[in-house]
Amino acid sequence: NAGVTQTPKFQVLKTGQSMTLQCAQDMNHEYMSWYRQDPGMGLRLIHYSVGAGITDQGEVPNGYNVSRSTTEDFPLRLLSAAPSQTSVYFCASSYGSRGGPKTQYFGPGTRLLVL
Amino acid sequence: GENVEQHPSTLSVQEGDSAVIKCTYSDSASNYFPWYKQELGKRPQLIIDIRSNVGEKKDQRIAVTLNKTAKHFSLHITETQPEDSAVYFCAATLNNAGNMLTFGGGTRLMVKP
Repeated sequence: NAGVTQTPKFQVLKTGQSMTLQCAQDMNHEYMSWYRQDPGMGLRLIHYSVGAGITDQGEVPNGYNVSRSTTEDFPLRLLSAAPSQTSVYFCASSYGSRGGPKTQYFGPGTRLLVL
Repeated sequence: GENVEQHPSTLSVQEGDSAVIKCTYSDSASNYFPWYKQELGKRPQLIIDIRSNVGEKKDQRIAVTLNKTAKHFSLHITETQPEDSAVYFCAATLNNAGNMLTFGGGTRLMVKP
């Protein structure tokens, strides 16, 4: 299994540009999520999904959109990039929480720089 | 919502010594507390976790304790080695958000040979 994969690894955007960060997992996990990590800080939840067709907002959702049309994929869209969105973005996935919370597995991250 | 505080922000120990990192959380409904290790430029990797029905869990040199009444949990690393040097994050489940997590601010652990 490839686990959780993310593309691109690194991206530079100009203010106002839009882009999509890709995330895929091949572990048949129900739950997927996006976190951002700013320098010297912990991860903060942006959006998450508990199954195909279901998404919800996390702690810092403004400026981002998500959709979940398949179990495997969970893309994150930046609508109009701002310098404040310069960060490292991690996608994560896990099995569902029936029977208790399950371990989240993280992708390798996408480093985004907005000029 | 949930708030997780982590201390200390940096910790320097001599090889072979023990290291302790402490976290507090605010939401009494949180029921799962993982610890992640993150090396520079890499993804967070789970090293140990504990659920709210357990007070202590150990895995070789790593242990975690949970005090639900006081809403705090701690990571203990014994016999530290240089390869333990990394940033460690505690986390707690966000209520009504499945397995989603809120993270502490991280502890940079430096183990001096």
